[in-house]
Amino acid sequence: GENVEQHPSTLSVQEGDSAVIKCTYSDSASNYFPWYKQELGKGPQLIIDIRSNVGEKKDQRIAVTLNKTAKHFSLHITETQPEDSAVYFCAAGDSSYKLIFGSGTRLLVRP
Amino acid sequence: KAGVTQTPRYLIKTRGQQVTLSCSPISGHRSVSWYQQTPGQGLQFLFEYFSETQRNKGNFPGRFSGRQFSNSRSEMNVSTLELGDSALYLCATSWDRGPGTGELFFGEGSRLTVL
Repeated sequence: GENVEQHPSTLSVQEGDSAVIKCTYSDSASNYFPWYKQELGKGPQLIIDIRSNVGEKKDQRIAVTLNKTAKHFSLHITETQPEDSAVYFCAAGDSSYKLIFGSGTRLLVRP
Repeated sequence: KAGVTQTPRYLIKTRGQQVTLSCSPISGHRSVSWYQQTPGQGLQFLFEYFSETQRNKGNFPGRFSGRQFSNSRSEMNVSTLELGDSALYLCATSWDRGPGTGELFFGEGSRLTVL
């Protein structure tokens, strides 16, 4: 069945450093790859997404890259700030009316 | 504009009981998905509804069921509760293209504890 693997499960960085989270998906039909941020006590919120016809997308300090051949996609956060501390989820979807999520990465940005 | 509303926010049940959770989508959203979130397991897809029809479901036992009403509000039910059903249940809504193609808007979840 469909599966999305996410690494690392926890990540601690110094404020100002970069953070990278990697995901691998199994379903070759997947063509939509969003990233969600979940803060304590809240539901996940979309921060960036990429579609299979694009290799890279950037939004200020956040960027996502996609390698469809290898079935890999990654989230890059530059110049991290304490407010970036949260749990991040990658996901993969297609037109089958479901989105498969990774197991999450807890990011801690140390001031 | 009101967000996704889930009720109740917290509940405690005992093994063998059943529970019903409710989700009211953002106005105009017709697709409603349900996810189970447990530590270390991420978000596990339960099912998705659109226009009162289930369009897809995940790999959960038949004890987990759901439905959607004509106003797009959705409920999920878990019967014969087990300790392992303790989790945060999240509802996510979107316009009509479904969860695999565009942004999902999540509620804050219903935290179920089974004793």
